Amino acid sequence: GNSVTQMEGPVTLSEEAFLTINCTYTATGYPSLFWYVQYPGEGLQLLLKATKADDKGSNKGFEATYRKETTSFHLEKGSVQVSDSAVYFCALIRSGGSYIPTFGRGTSLIVHP
Amino acid sequence: EAGVAQSPRYKIIEKRQSVAFWCNPISGHATLYWYQQILGQGPKLLIQFQNNGVVDDSQLPKDRFSAERLKGVDSTLKIQPAKLEDSAVYLCASSRSRLAGESTTDTQYFGPGTRLTVL
Repeated sequence: GNSVTQMEGPVTLSEEAFLTINCTYTATGYPSLFWYVQYPGEGLQLLLKATKADDKGSNKGFEATYRKETTSFHLEKGSVQVSDSAVYFCALIRSGGSYIPTFGRGTSLIVHP
Repeated sequence: EAGVAQSPRYKIIEKRQSVAFWCNPISGHATLYWYQQILGQGPKLLIQFQNNGVVDDSQLPKDRFSAERLKGVDSTLKIQPAKLEDSAVYLCASSRSRLAGESTTDTQYFGPGTRLTVL
């Protein structure tokens, strides 16, 4: 079946540091890939998405590129802020047949001033 | 536009009791999802509706869980009877997609969730 694997957290960084959160997936067919973010006390919200190979999703300074050859969708940001502290979820929805969304376990990011 | 509404926000019950959660999606959104999120894990889809029809309920424990979406708008998820392992946050989400195939690329909008504790 489909699966999403994220790096273990928490990831702890100082402000302005470079961020990478790894995400790899297993799926048949051609899934769409998503990053959702959950800020403290709030619901999940879409951060960015990519729907086909080599697409780059970007939003709020975050980027992720859909790499079909490595089945990865790593999240990056060049300079994190304290306000980026949240839990980040990688997810996929496979096209064709079952459309069940599959989420990773989430990676907690803590950014210190 | 108003977001996805859920109630109650918190619920504490004893095992073997029943509980119901309510969700009102964003106006005009055809697709509605219910997820279970156990502490430390990602959301797991329980059931997906498109309008008032079920798209997928393969991960719904049907011996104790049920859900309905009458009139294709709001939805109710019920657990009867509850077990200790049902303690989790229950998330509702909605998206615009009117066809199952469209949901693969569509943005899901999540409600704040209902935190259920089963004692």
